[in-house]
Amino acid sequence: EAQVTQNPRYLITVTGKKLTVTCSQNMNHEYMSWYRQDPGLGLRQIYYSMNVEVTDKGDVPEGYKVSRKEKRNFPLILESPSPNQTSLYFCASRKPGQGFGYTFGSGTRLTVV
Amino acid sequence: KQEVTQIPAALSVPEGENLVLNCSFTDSAIYNLQWFRQDPGKGLTSLLLIQSSQREQTSGRLNASLDKSSGRSTLYIAASQPGDSATYLCAAGTSGTYKYIFGTGTRLKVLA
Repeated sequence: EAQVTQNPRYLITVTGKKLTVTCSQNMNHEYMSWYRQDPGLGLRQIYYSMNVEVTDKGDVPEGYKVSRKEKRNFPLILESPSPNQTSLYFCASRKPGQGFGYTFGSGTRLTVV
Repeated sequence: KQEVTQIPAALSVPEGENLVLNCSFTDSAIYNLQWFRQDPGKGLTSLLLIQSSQREQTSGRLNASLDKSSGRSTLYIAASQPGDSATYLCAAGTSGTYKYIFGTGTRLKVLA
């Protein structure tokens, strides 16, 4: 089944403890993105990647890192999480071109205490 | 900078009604526009994708239109059902960027 898989689905952590949220897609998509969703603010792009080893900042990149060493994987790294990073996170992927839309993962609900 | 607006923020309708959800965008230079459905606490499910060269797309009871010149897209839901209750999001892919800008959504409740 074509899908974007995120892990974990739920995570509670403490301030300052480094964590990684994994994202993997099996559709051979070039583009991958990370979004966070907050009440009243909607979905905001954190980072995106156009292909292997090519990444760039989205609208809210502060406090996050990403890497794209393989086409299928796009992990999101929080080096020193803070409570304002408590949010619902989504990974998405698509092929380039106007005929292709995003496929989203099921989301990771992160709570930083 | 592209901005996407969805009005109304919330809508309640009785079962069986036909309804229209609105999506407005400020930059008409888009390469496509995608409509999603999101159930509470869940991921986004793609409903329809309209390429910039298209005027509309249909899937079952859903029809989405795109008017780039006026900066608007509409999602038409025919014969609404309680199972259609969800938040509907639109997202615009802006030409010359890799960004997909989302609206804040319309929360739809269909009453049985």
